[in-house]
Amino acid sequence: DAGVTQSPTHLIKTRGQQVTLRCSPKSGHDTVSWYQQALGQGPQFIFQYYEEEERQRGNFPDRFSGHQFPNYSSELNVNALLLGDSALYLCASSLDGEQYFGPGTRLTVT
Amino acid sequence: GESVGLHLPTLSVQEGDNSIINCAYSNSASDYFIWYKQESGKGPQFIIDIRSNMDKRQGQRVTVLLNKTVKHLSLQIAATQPGDSAVYFCAENRRSSYKLIFGSGTRLLVRP
Repeated sequence: DAGVTQSPTHLIKTRGQQVTLRCSPKSGHDTVSWYQQALGQGPQFIFQYYEEEERQRGNFPDRFSGHQFPNYSSELNVNALLLGDSALYLCASSLDGEQYFGPGTRLTVT
Repeated sequence: GESVGLHLPTLSVQEGDNSIINCAYSNSASDYFIWYKQESGKGPQFIIDIRSNMDKRQGQRVTVLLNKTVKHLSLQIAATQPGDSAVYFCAENRRSSYKLIFGSGTRLLVRP
């Protein structure tokens, strides 16, 4: 049984560009949450998707958007990238409870 | 404001000793707490959780203690092993919220 998978593993972008990160949840899970983890910090909640809708959002600007597909997989989109967006982006899936995290996508903005 | 913090950024212990990692939280409305372990290059891994109606919960070599009076959470690891070396986060989940609020983490180093 595959756990949470994320792609790509690493990504380098330039300021002002746009990026799309992808997440496939653990089998049987219907809820996907996204977190941003800056170096040396704990993860910060971006938003959560359930039934293809954004169910809750953290304190992130509108440049951060997402989508959930009928197969429960999800995408995180970030527009107009800033240097401060450099971080590890984590996806977590769940089914009415414990959140299982993927390995993350390391985004570097230059 | 929201905060789940840790007292010690780095903890170094001898292999075989017990480890205690502490965490303070600020919101008394929180009703669910989780400890995660994060190894280099990996996502956080669930260790153990506890609900606010409990004071203590035990797992395999780990125990979580919750003191609601002083809003304090601790993780005890018995007979610490080299494989326990990682960063440990406490996280908080509040009623009617789907998000986890993480602290900044404690790095556990196990000396051979």
